[in-house]
Amino acid sequence: AQSVAQPEDQVNVAEGNPLTVKCTYSVSGNPYLFWYVQYPNRGLQFLLKYITGDNLVKGSYGFEAEFNKSQTSFHLKKPSALVSDSALYFCAVRLEVYGQNFVFGPGTRLSVLP
Amino acid sequence: KAGVTQTPRYLIKTRGQQVTLSCSPISGHRSVSWYQQTPGQGLQFLFEYFSETQRNKGNFPGRFSGRQFSNSRSEMNVSTLELGDSALYLCASRPDRVETQYFGPGTRLLVL
Repeated sequence: AQSVAQPEDQVNVAEGNPLTVKCTYSVSGNPYLFWYVQYPNRGLQFLLKYITGDNLVKGSYGFEAEFNKSQTSFHLKKPSALVSDSALYFCAVRLEVYGQNFVFGPGTRLSVLP
Repeated sequence: KAGVTQTPRYLIKTRGQQVTLSCSPISGHRSVSWYQQTPGQGLQFLFEYFSETQRNKGNFPGRFSGRQFSNSRSEMNVSTLELGDSALYLCASRPDRVETQYFGPGTRLLVL
């Protein structure tokens, strides 16, 4: 069975500092990996994905993530955090098999302090 | 293109009632998935529809059902509502052979 872990419920970072939101996954096969962000009272917004190819994926709003197969991780990073990045971040995985559903992690709340 | 729309945005029901939520996917998207989001359980997959057929189903009781119409619009129904059904229900659509899902704003259901 697929599963996603986000080991930190909350991440606090000062504005202008680099941020990392961690994600590890467990699948029996090749994973498709995603990051989504949710602002208050809103749906989820797509940030970036890894399907195949380069392990470093760049996405929206200056975010990037690195796929590490040996560590089964897909950490989200940004070189310089903004207060407006404060939100709930979800990592998700889907198997490279037709008809498989997406599995989401529990979410990490990011607070960027001015 | 217009995004995924969900109606209604907010809903209050009482225990034992039933509710129907609606989702209109992005034009051209034939896959529609539904999720339940609660503070305790996070985001849980309910079901996915593709071309009017249920392609996948999560681990929810039979009180939760859905359907998809020929224009790809989807509805989900919850019968005999329980207090624990209070949640944000999210709909997501995606194009054929593309893995990225696009989410609607959700319907917040409160069961009293």
